[in-house]
Amino acid sequence: KAGVTQTPRYLIKTRGQQVTLSCSPISGHRSVSWYQQTPGQGLQFLFEYFSETQRNKGNFPGRFSGRQFSNSRSEMNVSTLELGDSALYLCASSLGYGDQYFGPGTRLTVT
Amino acid sequence: KQEVTQIPAALSVPEGENLVLNCSFTDSAIYNLQWFRQDPGKGLTSLLLIQSSQREQTSGRLNASLDKSSGRSTLYIAASQPGDSATYLCAVLPNNAGNMLTFGGGTRLMVKP
Repeated sequence: KAGVTQTPRYLIKTRGQQVTLSCSPISGHRSVSWYQQTPGQGLQFLFEYFSETQRNKGNFPGRFSGRQFSNSRSEMNVSTLELGDSALYLCASSLGYGDQYFGPGTRLTVT
Repeated sequence: KQEVTQIPAALSVPEGENLVLNCSFTDSAIYNLQWFRQDPGKGLTSLLLIQSSQREQTSGRLNASLDKSSGRSTLYIAASQPGDSATYLCAVLPNNAGNMLTFGGGTRLMVKP
């Protein structure tokens, strides 16, 4: 069974731009969660989607948004990028609740 | 608000040593606890998952224990090898809150040949 895939793997953007990251979960998994990892704040939960509905949201500004499609693939969008948005963005998929499997991440650099 | 702390933040040991990594959490209302491994710049690899009703889990040279009432978990690595060098993260999943993991800051382990 293929694992969680994330595209692109690396991205360089300038301040003020917007970016869209994509995550394809393990086949059959209906939950996709997104996390941000930075050296200063560690790993922080962004949001979770389950069956196309946002089930949970972390403490991030409204510039961070996401969605999930009927095939469970998920995208997250960050608008008006700031330098502090530079991070490794990880997504994880789960069948429903519990064991989560992580993708390789997307490294976003904002200049 | 759940807080997860890992001690020590960094650890350097010679090859062959047995070692213990610690994780503590403030809210015992958890569904499960997972230990992950992360190599530099990479994603997370799940090592062990302990359900809240379990006391420990074992996989090869790894053993994780959970004491929910005291808010503590330990990851025991036997006969460490240079290939074990990585950052180890523990994370807790709350009850009835969806897949919203709270992570500790990690322990960066270096095993010297």
